[in-house]
Amino acid sequence: EDKVVQSPLSLVVHEGDTVTLNCSYEVTNFRSLLWYKQEKKAPTFLFMLTSSGIEKKSGRLSSILDKKELFSILNITATQTGDSAVYLCAVVQGGSEKLVFGKGTKLTVNP
Amino acid sequence: DGGITQSPKYLFRKEGQNVTLSCEQNLNHDAMYWYRQDPGQGLRLIYYSQIVNDFQKGDIAEGYSVSREKKESFPLTVTSAQKNPTAFYLCASSTGASDYGYTFGSGTRLTVV
Repeated sequence: EDKVVQSPLSLVVHEGDTVTLNCSYEVTNFRSLLWYKQEKKAPTFLFMLTSSGIEKKSGRLSSILDKKELFSILNITATQTGDSAVYLCAVVQGGSEKLVFGKGTKLTVNP
Repeated sequence: DGGITQSPKYLFRKEGQNVTLSCEQNLNHDAMYWYRQDPGQGLRLIYYSQIVNDFQKGDIAEGYSVSREKKESFPLTVTSAQKNPTAFYLCASSTGASDYGYTFGSGTRLTVV
């Protein structure tokens, strides 16, 4: 059975902290891995990762994929209260382009 | 501007009634998808369609039906057979290409009372 597992499920930090969110997967016909940020509405796209070892960066956020270990991490440095959200990891299956989602990590950043 | 429109944003229905959620896109995407999200859960795939007049069941299709008569439209009907229909429903579309072409609608929150 295809599955995506995120950890931790919930995380509370203080502003300025650095956090690492984890995503492991077992999905047939892997095409790419996506990270999203969700704030009580539709998910907002953050990164698409296709190749191992190539870091994607956007401001304080960065992500990397390890296709050998079937693992990805999302890093957020110098967290702000606006980073509070649920972060979703999803794997794209080739052919159908279906997304298999993890349950998400709920990040709370306190002032 | 191109995008996906879901309507309505909020929907209330009595138990036992069928209800249809609308999803329209003007992105010229071939593939469209319906996902369901429950509190504390990720998104789960209900149905998807890669071309007009064709669709496949996802992981949780029981109690739902869809149609794809036009490329732009992929309505989802939540039938009375769906035991726990209260949820947040998201429609998405994609180009099906290797680059990132996945777009989500803003969602419909369905509450059955």
